[in-house]
Amino acid sequence: EPEVTQTPSHQVTQMGQEVILRCVPISNHLYFYWYRQILGQKVEFLVSFYNNEISEKSEIFDDQFSVERPDGSNFTLKIRSTKLEDSAMYFCASSEGRYAKARGYTFGSGTRLTVV
Amino acid sequence: GIQVEQSPPDLILQEGANSTLRCNFSDSVNNLQWFHQNPWGQLINLFYIPSGTKQNGRLSATTVATERYSLLYISSSQTTDSGVYFCALSLYNQGGKLIFGQGTELSVKP
Repeated sequence: EPEVTQTPSHQVTQMGQEVILRCVPISNHLYFYWYRQILGQKVEFLVSFYNNEISEKSEIFDDQFSVERPDGSNFTLKIRSTKLEDSAMYFCASSEGRYAKARGYTFGSGTRLTVV
Repeated sequence: GIQVEQSPPDLILQEGANSTLRCNFSDSVNNLQWFHQNPWGQLINLFYIPSGTKQNGRLSATTVATERYSLLYISSSQTTDSGVYFCALSLYNQGGKLIFGQGTELSVKP
């Protein structure tokens, strides 16, 4: 079964540093998403991306966050200047269509980001 | 905004027991999924079920969209079923983003 691949699986970074989280969505999917889960809490939506632009973003997704699809396969989340409260598990997801009919959304295994 | 409520918040079972997890929601949905988050943090998609009933082995799910609830049934539970079960849904009028419930933390004891 096709998978969404995320790298790295774990990342530790110093506060104030920039990090880039990488994702390879399923090849025929058109919609891409980033979600975040702070330890012990529920999963929260960050941003959705379609046709090379952001289609929706949450209040969490402020100016320090950006997303990019630099080539035909990768989808990245950049955090410009990390804060302690950015420590979380970050999930990438993709879907065939906006409302993900038939199969729903497929999530990657996540990147656990720790800011020290 | 939409309310997504899962119950119970915690559940402890003896191996072999059956359980029912519930997800109530407050608005019409166009997508509903159940996920299992394993102890390593991975989100495993169990069911895409905006309506109707589906079964996959020992797991089955039912969504009654008109009454705004979904149920996840786990039969003959195993220790590997332990983890957090999330219900997540998206609304017709709010694009495709998924809104997650708080989850049910299941612990299956040998």
